[in-house]
Amino acid sequence: SQTIHQWPATLVQPVGSPLSLECTVEGTSNPNLYWYRQAAGRGLQLLFYSVGIGQISSEVPQNLSASRPQDRQFILSSKKLLLSDSGFYLCAWVRGITYGYTFGSGTRLTVV
Amino acid sequence: AQTVTQSQPEMSVQEAETVTLSCTYDTSENNYYLFWYKQPPSRQMILVIRQEAYKQQNATENRFSVNFQKAAKSFSLKISDSQLGDTAMYFCAFMKPLLEYGNKLVFGAGTILRVKS
Repeated sequence: SQTIHQWPATLVQPVGSPLSLECTVEGTSNPNLYWYRQAAGRGLQLLFYSVGIGQISSEVPQNLSASRPQDRQFILSSKKLLLSDSGFYLCAWVRGITYGYTFGSGTRLTVV
Repeated sequence: AQTVTQSQPEMSVQEAETVTLSCTYDTSENNYYLFWYKQPPSRQMILVIRQEAYKQQNATENRFSVNFQKAAKSFSLKISDSQLGDTAMYFCAFMKPLLEYGNKLVFGAGTILRVKS
């Protein structure tokens, strides 16, 4: 069966420090992968998506970047965090269009 | 670009009663998918129900059903026999199934539902 792993679950980082969030999917190949951010009490904003290795599409210009070094691995990064980068980050993949997305358990990032 | 609007920021319902959450969307597409996701306090996103736009029949999953009005671009969620475990934020979402488009899911702002005992 397919599973999605996302880590870490919680992260507190100082302003100006780097960031690396990792997401991996098991049990499938060539999935579409997505990074969303959810501000406190608000909806989900699509940050990046990838339809294949090395293919990254950015939805919102910002302080973050994404990479897909392997088929089932999706990484969200920043060189220098800002206070505004705080939020809840969710990774997701498409199991099949009719099934919608399957989400990871999320990372709560607090930039202090 | 597609947009999804959930006009009810918060709602409450008594246990065992029925509640309806509203969702409207804007698109010029004819082929698309609509979803309702639930996000309980654990913040895990859980798929509740989905609807294919080409199907006229409303989707149903146990106590959850939708009222899909394609012409009106409306997609409401009805929860029957509400349970305490239904307390969560509910998101309506739209997808245009096109690989070049990334099969992106566009979410509404969400509705917080509180079920009271």
